[in-house]
Amino acid sequence: EIVLTQSPGTLSLSPGERATLSCRASQSVSSSYLAWYQQKPGQAPRLLIYGASSRATDIPDRFSGSGSGTDFTLTISRLEPEDFAVYYCQQYGSSPKTFGQGTKVEIK
Amino acid sequence: EVQLLESGGGLVQPGGSLRLSCAASGFTFSSFAMSWVRQAPGKGLEWVSSISGSGGSTYYTDSVKGRFTISRDSSKNTLYLQMNSLRAEDTALYYCAKCKPGAPLRWAFDIWGHGTMVTVSS
Repeated sequence: EIVLTQSPGTLSLSPGERATLSCRASQSVSSSYLAWYQQKPGQAPRLLIYGASSRATDIPDRFSGSGSGTDFTLTISRLEPEDFAVYYCQQYGSSPKTFGQGTKVEIK
Repeated sequence: EVQLLESGGGLVQPGGSLRLSCAASGFTFSSFAMSWVRQAPGKGLEWVSSISGSGGSTYYTDSVKGRFTISRDSSKNTLYLQMNSLRAEDTALYYCAKCKPGAPLRWAFDIWGHGTMVTVSS
């Protein structure tokens, strides 16, 4: 099973700042089958990024994903008020599909 | 509009059974693989099970193999999860999710329902 470790656990930033979230895999994620999801309190997760760097439908271009192998990054170029949430990475290249433990982006 | 609406959750005693349903609308249901993902209270996300668009292939995480069965009825545009021999650790919010097209089991989840809560307790 591929274990995904996200860092930091919590990121305290102000609106307008840049957010950089990390996701490290215990072994290589095949063909960059890595996704990022956003979850707000009381809501279902929303797909942001798939294939490590492709934005999902209707996702603003301030969200970008990068990386390959075992190291992946989600970058939010300028935080908007609605971006404060928990973010999860997920690998879907091997079974079982696994998620990271999440990074909370909170208002500083 | 693409929508997924889960139902069937509730309180059940350890060892009991429950069947979850997920009604899909706004897309050609039989063309897409579907999955169940759960989230224990205050915890992260855990993939539970997936099924191919045809229903011919099913996949499970190890902790539910032999206890849970995923199925689908394309005539009703509905996904199911039959859960037997339930344990306290199965307590979670269960989400139904539509899978993005891709190679078998290589699916990200692009549409999610709002979830149905399952509580296993005596």
